[in-house]
Amino acid sequence: DSGVTQTPKHLITATGQRVTLRCSPRSGDLSVYWYQQSLDQGLQFLIQYYNGEERAKGNILERFSAQQFPDLHSELNLSSLELGDSALYFCASSVGKGQGIYTIYFGEGSWLTVV
Amino acid sequence: ILNVEQSPQSLHVQEGDSTNFTCSFPSSNFYALHWYRWETAKSPEALFVMTLNGDEKKKGRISATLNTKEGYSYLYIKGSQPEDSATYLCALRDNDMRFGAGTRLTVKP
Repeated sequence: DSGVTQTPKHLITATGQRVTLRCSPRSGDLSVYWYQQSLDQGLQFLIQYYNGEERAKGNILERFSAQQFPDLHSELNLSSLELGDSALYFCASSVGKGQGIYTIYFGEGSWLTVV
Repeated sequence: ILNVEQSPQSLHVQEGDSTNFTCSFPSSNFYALHWYRWETAKSPEALFVMTLNGDEKKKGRISATLNTKEGYSYLYIKGSQPEDSATYLCALRDNDMRFGAGTRLTVKP
């Protein structure tokens, strides 16, 4: 158990809908990262937050947004869902801002299926 | 943006074989290189963090080296066991954390 909690574990929804994935980082970790794992692709970095502020942005679609709240939990919002958005979405957390040797710890992921 | 390449894509070895795979990167302009082990139906688990050219890390039968001058890191597994079967991911820590596609290792009993 990494200490990173993600909900829901599984989610099935229809195209055009909107979903919210939730992540609670490890106790004491200030950074939260979101990654997408699609079929036949590696872990694609979406976005990172550090202590409530956006820190780095990767290949995140405009239909997707995220935020980190004062209690440090984070939400990833996916809207106007398409079939291709079906993937495993990982949240990860680390102590540091990003510069350094801090390990990032992964949650178990949220499986999203768009039908 | 740092591109991380891993090779081979997949590897099948017999129990007891030693094996190694490569993580390549075009530039040494990063803070750290990380290796992760990712078993099916689980979340990636950190193995090593390396920062300096010439770094060597070891954990049991698994070890890793880093050569920033020539742009690669090797992960070695000595005497592979079936429980070593997993995908091994390399990641570079820049302003974010970028992962390679991984090497999928299968160890046959």
